[in-house]
Amino acid sequence: DAGVTQSPTHLIKTRGQQVTLRCSPKSGHDTVSWYQQALGQGPQFIFQYYEEEERQRGNFPDRFSGHQFPNYSSELNVNALLLGDSALYLCASSVVGSSYNEQFFGPGTRLTVL
Amino acid sequence: ILNVEQSPQSLHVQEGDSTNFTCSFPSSNFYALHWYRWETAKSPEALFVMTLNGDEKKKGRISATLNTKEGYSYLYIKGSQPEDSATYLCAPNTGNQFYFGTGTSLTVIP
Repeated sequence: DAGVTQSPTHLIKTRGQQVTLRCSPKSGHDTVSWYQQALGQGPQFIFQYYEEEERQRGNFPDRFSGHQFPNYSSELNVNALLLGDSALYLCASSVVGSSYNEQFFGPGTRLTVL
Repeated sequence: ILNVEQSPQSLHVQEGDSTNFTCSFPSSNFYALHWYRWETAKSPEALFVMTLNGDEKKKGRISATLNTKEGYSYLYIKGSQPEDSATYLCAPNTGNQFYFGTGTSLTVIP
């Protein structure tokens, strides 16, 4: 049983560019959450998708957007990249209504903005 | 936004030592507390989910306790081994959103 997978592993972009990160949830999971971990910080919640809609959003600007597909996979898009967007982006999947919303994480995508 | 604090930030122990870390969080609006173990270049791995005041969970040499009234959780590792070297994250959640601390980085020296 494959766990949560993310692609690409690493990515280098320049300021002002746009980036798309991808996530495939664990088999049987229908909900995907995205987190940003900047250097020296804990992961911070960006948003969560369920039934192809954004269900909840953290304190991130509109430059951060997402999408969920009918197969439950998800994309995170970031427009007009800033140097401060350099971080590890984690995807987590879960099952709606599961006990305590337990989340399973992927290994992350390391984004570097130059 | 929940302010979650973990201490210490990092820890170096000798193989065989026992150690413990602390996770502090606001006691109100609490739903569950999650502990994760995160090795470099791997996915964070769920260790425990704790919900009830006084809860105590154990997995092998690792155990955790929860005090929801005062807003803290302790993680204990008995007889640390080099393979325990990792960052340990705690995250209370209020429904869908998890609030992570900055983690405790543990290095076990053989």
